[in-house]
Amino acid sequence: EPEVTQTPSHQVTQMGQEVILRCVPISNHLYFYWYRQILGQKVEFLVSFYNNEISEKSEIFDDQFSVERPDGSNFTLKIRSTKLEDSAMYFCASRGGSEQYFGPGTRLTVT
Amino acid sequence: GQQLNQSPQSMFIQEGEDVSMNCTSSSIFNTWLWYKQDPGEGPVLLIALYKAGELTSNGRLTAQFGITRKDSFLNISASIPSDVGIYFCAGVANFGNEKLTFGTGTRLTIIP
Repeated sequence: EPEVTQTPSHQVTQMGQEVILRCVPISNHLYFYWYRQILGQKVEFLVSFYNNEISEKSEIFDDQFSVERPDGSNFTLKIRSTKLEDSAMYFCASRGGSEQYFGPGTRLTVT
Repeated sequence: GQQLNQSPQSMFIQEGEDVSMNCTSSSIFNTWLWYKQDPGEGPVLLIALYKAGELTSNGRLTAQFGITRKDSFLNISASIPSDVGIYFCAGVANFGNEKLTFGTGTRLTIIP
């Protein structure tokens, strides 16, 4: 069964450093999403992406964040200058019809 | 912003018992989904509901889309150890973008 994959599974970085989180969505899906989950809390929407552009973003997704689909298979989330409060699980999701399927997540730890 | 409140926050049950949890909102959602999350993993889709009043089953799971479009419930019958985890409801308010608003989660623990 096709699935969303994410790399790395765990990323440790120092405050102020740039990180790139990578996702490979399900191959025939056209809508892509990033969500985050701070430890012990609910999953929160960050951004949605369709037709090579952002379709919606939340107030969490400020100028430090960007997304890109650099080729036909990868979907990336970049955080330009990480802050301690960016520590969280980051989930990529993709959608073909009405249902979103999530990847296993990247645990980002900012020290 | 839109909020989804789930109850109960946590449940402690014995294997074989039935489970019921629900999700309520002050605003309307057009699609309701239920996900299960195991520790350190991503949410896994269990059931999706698209029409007000719809009742859908997936094995031992049954979920309903409330008639007011402001609530949904999930039932699990005859619980087994692998049912342990956190259950999240999620709603879609606007067609097109389909961003998910997640509930606060219900943590299910099975007592041996």
